[in-house]
Amino acid sequence: DTEVTQTPKHLVMGMTNKKSLKCEQHMGHRAMYWYKQKAKKPPELMFVYSYEKLSINESVPSRFSPECPNSSLLNLHLHALQPEDSALYLCASSQVPSGGYYQETQYFGPGTRLLVL
Amino acid sequence: AQTVTQSQPEMSVQEAETVTLSCTYDTSESDYYLFWYKQPPSRQMILVIRQEAYKQQNATENRFSVNFQKAAKSFSLKISDSQLGDAAMYFCAYRSLHYGGSQGNLIFGKGTKLSVKP
Repeated sequence: DTEVTQTPKHLVMGMTNKKSLKCEQHMGHRAMYWYKQKAKKPPELMFVYSYEKLSINESVPSRFSPECPNSSLLNLHLHALQPEDSALYLCASSQVPSGGYYQETQYFGPGTRLLVL
Repeated sequence: AQTVTQSQPEMSVQEAETVTLSCTYDTSESDYYLFWYKQPPSRQMILVIRQEAYKQQNATENRFSVNFQKAAKSFSLKISDSQLGDAAMYFCAYRSLHYGGSQGNLIFGKGTKLSVKP
């Protein structure tokens, strides 16, 4: 099973709202990722969690707050977003490094399409 | 820093024909992974094929194959017997082999939009 699931599929929120995106995988992967993708552009890495600990934050504004409550779940909490934050948010997972080397393949979820009004 | 370049923003192929998508990259590393991901309008990123740089043999996956030229830093994707379901955005991506900091991040090209004509 190479499935990563994300909910909701679509989300519309106002700039004063608080919402959360959810991601789940049951492949035993211990590395999980959040990406932001604008239309017709490649994904941009936001955060990386390894063994439920935040290992990479690519200078993302604090209005995005990630959380990894357990090895299968990854959340992205959203607060006071701006219209320019409207995008497709992708979650991915992979095995963690072994012997100093990355396991090579990231598996992506279907994404959440976010619109900020 | 590593970079990935896809010089063809859009391409078109007739159903059942063969098409080749180009990708070049720049790196000073000797060990790394290269990937082709497909993103159809349904938007999920799907792994098409993977190549380990230390392997000389080109990777193949059913109708998909790559031409990996390490010295030239080229990694093209060939799709044979194109099908309507192959229509999608294709992203070439690079990943360092070694763990640490941002070295393991996927570095994407800008993508090539492939259309398949019936």
